[in-house]
Amino acid sequence: AQSVTQLDSHVSVSEGTPVLLRCNYSSSYSPSLFWYVQHPNKGLQLLLKYTSAATLVKGINGFEAEFKKSETSFHLTKPSAHMSDAAEYFCVVIWIGGSQGNLIFGKGTKLSVKP
Amino acid sequence: DVKVTQSSRYLVKRTGEKVFLECVQDMDHENMFWYRQDPGLGLRLIYFSYDVKMKEKGDIPEGYSVSREKKERFSLILESASTNQTSMYLCATRRGTGQTGELFFGEGSRLTVL
Repeated sequence: AQSVTQLDSHVSVSEGTPVLLRCNYSSSYSPSLFWYVQHPNKGLQLLLKYTSAATLVKGINGFEAEFKKSETSFHLTKPSAHMSDAAEYFCVVIWIGGSQGNLIFGKGTKLSVKP
Repeated sequence: DVKVTQSSRYLVKRTGEKVFLECVQDMDHENMFWYRQDPGLGLRLIYFSYDVKMKEKGDIPEGYSVSREKKERFSLILESASTNQTSMYLCATRRGTGQTGELFFGEGSRLTVL
């Protein structure tokens, strides 16, 4: 069965330090993968997506993610955290043959940024 | 830019009331979704629709129904609201059925049932 796991429910970093949010997936098929960000009381906004082109994907606000098929991972990184990055982040998987109802969301990782 | 509008950002209702949550999109997307979001549980799919008058149950359809009479509008209905339906409700749209299209979300409707 397809699944997606965000390995940390909460990550805390200091401003100016690197951010790493981890996402692993389980799929029999080649997936498309997405990262979304949600600020408090807001909807989800797309940060970046991987759809079988370049494995290193650059997104908005300085975020990037690398698709590693051998590790079934799609971790989100940013070299230097900013206070405005404090939010919840969701990893999403869609795979070939998956129906509309089979978009799978991770449980989310809440990122805190300390001054 | 795709715009997904959820008309009610915050609602407070009483147990047993009928509740309508409306979602309107302006980009002619075929697919529309309703999710609920609860702390620790992430997003869970309630219903989705891939065409006018078409609907499919998601993971947690019990206690909910939906209506899609026009392509741009997808309504979520709570026939008789209960306290365990207190949650954040998110509407989303998506173009086509391919693997690559992303979801576009509304701002959410936070429902409190007393």
